[in-house]
Amino acid sequence: AQSVTQLGSHVSVSEGALVLLRCNYSSSVPPYLFWYVQYPNQGLQLLLKYTTGATLVKGINGFEAEFKKSETSFHLTKPSAHMSDAAEYFCAVTPISSGSARQLTFGSGTQLTVLP
Amino acid sequence: EPEVTQTPSHQVTQMGQEVILRCVPISNHLYFYWYRQILGQKVEFLVSFYNNEISEKSEIFDDQFSVERPDGSNFTLKIRSTKLEDSAMYFCASSLSWDRSNSPLHFGNGTRLTVT
Repeated sequence: AQSVTQLGSHVSVSEGALVLLRCNYSSSVPPYLFWYVQYPNQGLQLLLKYTTGATLVKGINGFEAEFKKSETSFHLTKPSAHMSDAAEYFCAVTPISSGSARQLTFGSGTQLTVLP
Repeated sequence: EPEVTQTPSHQVTQMGQEVILRCVPISNHLYFYWYRQILGQKVEFLVSFYNNEISEKSEIFDDQFSVERPDGSNFTLKIRSTKLEDSAMYFCASSLSWDRSNSPLHFGNGTRLTVT
């Protein structure tokens, strides 16, 4: 079984400040890890993913995330927040094993507010 | 960029009625999915579909639910007799393959189902 915990259902930052959205996972096998973003009235858009290789992955819109196996974490960061980053962010995992590689398990989401 | 499209964006129905939610996946994708998000809760996997049959389904996907690919482009989710607790945002997704390392899920904008 696998689960995803996102600490903080709401995060507020000032424009230009660092964005840090936390994600921890629990999985019996090493997972693939994803961050999705949902802008108002839109679907889930893939920001970035970790599958293998370099543990620091870069995504769209200046976001990046680092996979830390020892901490079972995959926190999302952006050095300088922009007003357009205001959205809901979801962390998700799927096991590497082929048996259930099709489905994603999502965290409960973090609503990011960017203050002027 | 190709998109997954869902119709309608909002559906209101009375308890006990049948509803069909429609999705047009990305044209060259082979795997199709339904997820749902009850207000304030996590995005949850419902079902995956490949080669005209269900690949996986969650415990949520009971006999009241069915999926179909009636033609070469549409993918539908039917709820036979809606209950109040079926009120949620329903997301359709598609992917080229089952391998999440190189074939991420592409999500539609969702259909908000309200059961009264």
